[in-house]
Amino acid sequence: AQTVTQSQPEMSVQEAETVTLSCTYDTSESNYYLFWYKQPPSRQMILVIRQEAYKQQNATENRFSVNFQKAAKSFSLKISDSQLGDTAMYFCAFSNDYKLSFGAGTTVTVRA
Amino acid sequence: DTAVSQTPKYLVTQMGNDKSIKCEQNLGHDTMYWYKQDSKKFLKIMFSYNNKELIINETVPNRFSPKSPDKAHLNLHINSLELGDSAVYFCASSPAGGRQETQYFGPGTRLLVL
Repeated sequence: AQTVTQSQPEMSVQEAETVTLSCTYDTSESNYYLFWYKQPPSRQMILVIRQEAYKQQNATENRFSVNFQKAAKSFSLKISDSQLGDTAMYFCAFSNDYKLSFGAGTTVTVRA
Repeated sequence: DTAVSQTPKYLVTQMGNDKSIKCEQNLGHDTMYWYKQDSKKFLKIMFSYNNKELIINETVPNRFSPKSPDKAHLNLHINSLELGDSAVYFCASSPAGGRQETQYFGPGTRLLVL
């Protein structure tokens, strides 16, 4: 079974600044996918970004980017130019066929 | 148009009762899921269905019985509700269950057992 660890329960960032969320995972598989999901106060789970383990290039989606270190089994999320609407809980997830295994989540608060 | 919908959004009930949560997706996906988010916000897979067939049952008590009448629907029936069943239950879907696929989540059903 895969385990996903998010070691930062809470983080706070000033609007327009950058914040990085850490995620590590444990697996014996060679090809896999990793995801970051966002859960704002509305409770809706929203995909932020995904990364294929075979791809060397780090994924980016607008202000969101990842630092994927396969050997270290690390998958951090960087939020640049933070906006108030980024306030949410962020979950790192390891994808197997037919299921996602989630980390415990990091609550991000963006301060005005 | 809502891609993945759940009813009800909130459910308050007494211990020992039986309740159902319904999920529908209009994305044309073959695979549907139930996840449970506990009071500490931890999310865990409960069930996965592909084309109406059960694929994953993640050691969920047999008081929980999912039913998939067709590919677009996956309902969750819970018998003899216990206090520990209080949680938010999310339905999700993806095209075929592959690990590369994005799962699309419903809005969640908050269940409170008194």
